[in-house]
Amino acid sequence: AQTVTQSQPEMSVQEAETVTLSCTYDTSENNYYLFWYKQPPSRQMILVIRQEAYKQQNATENRFSVNFQKAAKSFSLKISDSQLGDTAMYFCAFSAGNMLTFGGGTRLMVKP
Amino acid sequence: EAQVTQNPRYLITVTGKKLTVTCSQNMNHEYMSWYRQDPGLGLRQIYYSMNVEVTDKGDVPEGYKVSRKEKRNFPLILESPSPNQTSLYFCASSFRQGIDTQYFGPGTRLTVL
Repeated sequence: AQTVTQSQPEMSVQEAETVTLSCTYDTSENNYYLFWYKQPPSRQMILVIRQEAYKQQNATENRFSVNFQKAAKSFSLKISDSQLGDTAMYFCAFSAGNMLTFGGGTRLMVKP
Repeated sequence: EAQVTQNPRYLITVTGKKLTVTCSQNMNHEYMSWYRQDPGLGLRQIYYSMNVEVTDKGDVPEGYKVSRKEKRNFPLILESPSPNQTSLYFCASSFRQGIDTQYFGPGTRLTVL
């Protein structure tokens, strides 16, 4: 079974600064997909970014980018120029087939 | 508007009283699933369905039932709810399992007394 670990239960960052959220996973699969989801106080789950394991290039979406280290089984999320609206729970997730496995989440607070 | 809807959004019930949480999507997605969210544990998959009449267990299926009689609907049934099923529940759908972005419903907050 796959496992996803987010070792930082809570983090904070000043507005306009950069923050990195960590995620590691354990799998014996070679082909898989990794995701970061954001859950603001509204509870809605929103996809932030998606990475295909067979692609070496790190995914980016505007201010959000990942550092995907396949050998180390690491998938961290970098948020640049943090904004107040980035305050949310962030979940890392892994999929190698029919199921999506989530980490425990990191609560991010962006301070003005 | 493309969306996943869930009803009810909030529910307080008592132990043993059967309940159903409905889920519907209007995107013609093949794949649908149910998750529960508990503090510190993230989201855990309860059941998923790859198509009509095809369902399978996720990580935490005990105490839950599902059905997929129509492509758009995927209800979650608790035959005899217990307090340990108090949680936040999400329904999600996507075109392909495990590959595509999952679209989540707004969540259902369930409290079992």
